[in-house]
This record gives sequence, structure tokens and C-alpha cells, in this order.
Amino acid sequence: NAGVMQNPRHLVRRRGQEARLRCSPMKGHSHVYWYRQLPEEGLKFMVYLQKENIIDESGMPKERFSAEFPKEGPSILRIQQVVRGDSAAYFCASSPPSINEQFFGPGTRLTVL
Amino acid sequence: GDSVTQMEGPVTLSEEAFLTINCTYTATGYPSLFWYVQYPGEGLQLLLKATKADDKGSNKGFEATYRKETTSFHLEKGSVQVSDSAVYFCALSFSGNTPLVFGKGTRLSVIA
Repeated sequence: NAGVMQNPRHLVRRRGQEARLRCSPMKGHSHVYWYRQLPEEGLKFMVYLQKENIIDESGMPKERFSAEFPKEGPSILRIQQVVRGDSAAYFCASSPPSINEQFFGPGTRLTVL
Repeated sequence: GDSVTQMEGPVTLSEEAFLTINCTYTATGYPSLFWYVQYPGEGLQLLLKATKADDKGSNKGFEATYRKETTSFHLEKGSVQVSDSAVYFCALSFSGNTPLVFGKGTRLSVIA
């Protein structure tokens, strides 16, 4: 059983461009979480999704950020018009239903020039 | 709101030394508690967990006991190795697939 997959592992964008981060959960996992890790900081929750539904987006900035988890395909975290402050590592985690344990992907390191 | 506080690093130890990383939490209710480890350039791996008071989680020589009376979940290891060098995160969550709340992390460096 492959682990949580994220791509790309590294992403460089210029200010004002769009960033798309992808996350494929583990097989059988229907819950996906996105976290952001700023340099020398812990992880901060952004959004929690199930297939085709956003369950909790309380940690997501109100503007420029969006997330989806379609019926088919990976979960996507989309950042429009990136700014330097968006530079961070973005981690995706997945969990099966009713199991309180999350499995993390290797992360996408976004650098905004 | 719910929060996790862990000791600031970095922590530098010699090989075979005893390790303690303190972690306390504030939460409404009774969360599950976790320790995650992050090796350089990698994602987080679950190290151990405990789901109720007085439970002890253990893995790879690491241990932590869920103490409700002191709201703590301190990580310990009797004899660290160079390969234990990493960042350690304490975290909590509630049942029902809720998001994790993390501490800021403690960087551990073990020197030979």
C-alpha cells in the first residue's frame, strides 16, 4: 500500500503566479487534511476535506486559497496570485473513516520569488 | 482554543544520553495525544500515541505517558542515537477525524 503522495516536491513561483499542489491519499482513505509549515514553526491546519466536500476550512486564508477533493483524482490545494509570505512547506495527510490517525505525505516546498 | 506547548530547542545531546522533551496541552475535553518525528527534508511520521489518561505510548525506545492531572505528554528515551536527530512534534486531536493541533516542534541533535 503506497503512502500519501504529494507532487511536486518542490515548486518555485514568481509573485502573482498560481501554485497548484496535489495530494493522493493512501488507498482506502477518504479524509484529507492540508497543513502549512512556516520556517522554524510547527504545522498549522488549513483545511479538511472528504470526497467532494469541504468539512472544515477554518485554517484557510479567506482570499487566494482554495482546496478541492474531487470524486476522482487527487486533492488539490490552489494558491492564486502568490506572495512571498506563501513560501512554506505544505503537507497533506490522510486518514481512513473513523480512525483517529493521520498519515503524512512528504510535503511540497513552495518558494515564491 | 486548544493548544500544545512543547519545550523550545534546539536540544543537543551526546550519544547514549537520556532524552526528555516536555509537552503540555490545553484542551476542552479529552483529546488523543501524539508524537510525530520529522527527519530532514521529509514529512512527518507518527512516532507514538495515547488515546486516554494513563495510557503509555511506546515505539523504537521512545515512551510517553498521557497524564491528565498535569495535562502533559512528555517524550522520553533512555539512550539516544545519532539517528534520532530530527524535529519532534507533540500534537493533539479529538475523535471523529478532527484536525491535529501541533506544538512548534523541538529540534534534537545527537552527537557521537
